[in-house]
Amino acid sequence: TQLLEQSPQFLSIQEGENLTVYCNSSSVFSSLQWYRQEPGEGPVLLVTVVTGGEVKKLKRLTFQFGDARKDSSLHITAAQPGDTGLYLCAGAEPGNQFYFGTGTSLTVIP
Amino acid sequence: ETGVTQSPTHLIKTRGQQVTLRCSSQSGHNTVSWYQQALGQGPQFIFQYYREEENGRGNFPPRFSGLQFPNYSSELNVNALELDDSALYLCASSPRLAGETQYFGPGTRLLVL
Repeated sequence: TQLLEQSPQFLSIQEGENLTVYCNSSSVFSSLQWYRQEPGEGPVLLVTVVTGGEVKKLKRLTFQFGDARKDSSLHITAAQPGDTGLYLCAGAEPGNQFYFGTGTSLTVIP
Repeated sequence: ETGVTQSPTHLIKTRGQQVTLRCSSQSGHNTVSWYQQALGQGPQFIFQYYREEENGRGNFPPRFSGLQFPNYSSELNVNALELDDSALYLCASSPRLAGETQYFGPGTRLLVL
């Protein structure tokens, strides 16, 4: 069974602060995705990273895929209350099977 | 372009009953995956269907079964419901196999009493 560990599990910060969420695994994935999920809704895709060492930026969000394609990080600059939600990483195996991380619940306090 | 839809949105069942959940995939997508998400946890992979055939299964017992239809919509069936089956059931569709991005529906919230 593939396992992706996310840290921290819970994060509560003030508006304007920066934060980093980590996603680690002992397995190699063909690609890795980050999602944000709000209560009662399905996860919404934020980004897909495919190449080891790849860095992608989406406005205030920066995503990095580890060189060995086993880990990833999500950095948010100047967090806003709208960033509140459950952040999930998911690793894809060949054959399009995805394994989700344990999740990081982020609360941004105005 | 229509996104992934699921029905029903909420469902209450009692232990021992059977349930069928439905998913309509996004237009042009022929792969559907089902996930179970317990409260406060990440989604757990149940199984995936590609062109009407099961294409992989997670660590779920045989009482979890599925179907995919020629129009690529899908059903998840759970027999002999247990209290621990209470969860959000998510369906995701993608264009084809081999690591393509998947798009999620809003989920079905199942409560087993």
